[in-house]
Formats: sequence, structure tokens, C-alpha cells
Amino acid sequence: RKEVEQDPGPFNVPEGATVAFNCTYSNSASQSFFWYRQDCRKEPKLLMSVYSSGNEDGRFTAQLNRASQYISLLIRDSKLSDSATYLCVVNKAGNTPLVFGKGTRLSVIA
Amino acid sequence: EPEVTQTPSHQVTQMGQEVILRCVPISNHLYFYWYRQILGQKVEFLVSFYNNEISEKSEIFDDQFSVERPDGSNFTLKIRSTKLEDSAMYFCASRVGAGKTQYFGPGTRLLVL
Repeated sequence: RKEVEQDPGPFNVPEGATVAFNCTYSNSASQSFFWYRQDCRKEPKLLMSVYSSGNEDGRFTAQLNRASQYISLLIRDSKLSDSATYLCVVNKAGNTPLVFGKGTRLSVIA
Repeated sequence: EPEVTQTPSHQVTQMGQEVILRCVPISNHLYFYWYRQILGQKVEFLVSFYNNEISEKSEIFDDQFSVERPDGSNFTLKIRSTKLEDSAMYFCASRVGAGKTQYFGPGTRLLVL
């Protein structure tokens, strides 16, 4: 089983749509969870951390279900500039390395 | 805003040649990482470095790879004898402390011919 699994997409949605991405992780010792965004041929950039209680940052909402080892990202009112690959990332603890999913590609169409 | 920088942005080399990829982490950061991403694949961890020594390495990081922090600012990844399958984007990352956000550099695209 892959450590972090994501639906690869692509998700093609019109501007203004709401889109949801899901992710599962296999290591129950994982303690920190993130969504990163990666534009084509660029570095991953932190979009948001994911907290157990769920958290929101503008149009973005992240949820974590530790019992199911499941993470989600909801994007409301999609913009053209949201087109990118969204990477689900987990971390065991401390200074251990990040473990990345393969990413879900999103294309927002005018 | 401080950022991680990497040089060169692109490198083309012949199989069997040595390459050195350079990174300048954010100045007050203490933990340093190298990751790589083969085209179309996920980002994979190579090695982490703290307190002037390797703290963890993956199975990808074999004897052909080494890292160094020669002067307190640069952090380098050396591949001694490149193989075709080393062609990838190599990202350097740093974080100020354990559990804090990792910031990634823009990457070096390595092509081994």
C-alpha cells in the first residue's frame, strides 16, 4: 500500500465551481498533515497545514480524520489561478522528512 | 521574504560524470533536506541534515550521493557518477526547527545523457 494515496485526476472544473480532493495515508504514526500546491515544473509550496479540528483559509477548507487516516481539501469558488497540482503531504514527527502523495491535478476552465 | 535558492537551475551532464547541486537555505534555518522528483512522479525524500551530519537518508541515497555544508551557508548534493535514472528535478528544503514548515527551493533540473 502506498504511504500517501491521492486520486491523480485531472479534475477539470469551470470557474466558480467547488472541488474536493481526498487523500489517505497508511502510517498511523503520522502527526502532521499538509496540502502543498505545485505549479508545472516549479517547487512545492505550502498551501495550508491540516489540523484535527479542520481549518479554513479563505476559499480553502482542510479536514483530517485520524481514525480513517483520511485528509481532504475543499476549494470553493474556483479561480483560473487555482489550476495546479495539489499534493497531500504527511510527516511523522519532528525533523523527519515529508512524505508526498503523487498529487491531484486541477484545471479550472473559463 | 527570505527564500531557499538553488543553482544551477538546469544542468545537463554525461552519464558517469560527477555533478554538484548547490543550495543556500534560509539563513536561520537548522534542518536541511534534499528531495527529488522524476518527471511525472511524486516528490521523494533523499536525505536530511542537521547539526553538520546526516540525520536520515532514504534507500535512494546510496554511495553515489553525498551532502556537505562546507561554509555555513551553502548546502550541496554531489552525485559521484551519474546514471540515466538520476535525471530528475532536485529540490532543496529547509526548516527553522523540528515540526516547522519546510520551505523548498526552486529546484535544479538535472538531465543525464
